[in-house]
Amino acid sequence: KAGVTQTPRYLIKTRGQQVTLSCSPISGHRSVSWYQQTPGQGLQFLFEYFSETQRNKGNFPGRFSGRQFSNSRSEMNVSTLELGDSALYLCASSWTGGYTDTQYFGPGTRLTVL
Amino acid sequence: GENVEQHPSTLSVQEGDSAVIKCTYSDSASNYFPWYKQELGKRPQLIIDIRSNVGEKKDQRIAVTLNKTAKHFSLHITETQPEDSAVYFCAASNEKGGSNYKLTFGKGTLLTVNP
Repeated sequence: KAGVTQTPRYLIKTRGQQVTLSCSPISGHRSVSWYQQTPGQGLQFLFEYFSETQRNKGNFPGRFSGRQFSNSRSEMNVSTLELGDSALYLCASSWTGGYTDTQYFGPGTRLTVL
Repeated sequence: GENVEQHPSTLSVQEGDSAVIKCTYSDSASNYFPWYKQELGKRPQLIIDIRSNVGEKKDQRIAVTLNKTAKHFSLHITETQPEDSAVYFCAASNEKGGSNYKLTFGKGTLLTVNP
């Protein structure tokens, strides 16, 4: 079974631009979570989607948004990029996000903002 | 919200020795505690997890213990090998909002196993 995939793997943008990242979960998984990883803040939860609905959201500004499609693929968007948005963005999927599930991470998208 | 503290931030051991990493959490509602291993440039990989209805879980050389009263959980790696060298993250989560997957992570522990 194929793992979680993310595209693109690397991205370079300039301040003020916007970016869209994509995540394809493991086949059959309907819960997709997004995390930001930086050296200073570590791994921080962004949001989680299940059946096209956002169920949980972390403490990030409204510039960070996401969505999930009917095939469970998910995208996240960052508008008006700032230097501090440079990070590794990881998505993770699980069957339903429930108590007995296991969550698997994708390889991440490395975003650099210049 | 939940806060997870992880110690130590770096740990160096000799091959064959044991390594212990400790985490504390703040939210008594947390009920799921996974541990991830992340090698340089790679994705975090789940190595073991524990749920609040058990106090200890073991998988070969790796074990995790949970003390819900004290709100702490620990990762134990025995007979360490050089390939165990990586950053280890603990995390905690609960089912508020209908989903268990809004993990709060510790800052990570860089484990170095010296041959």
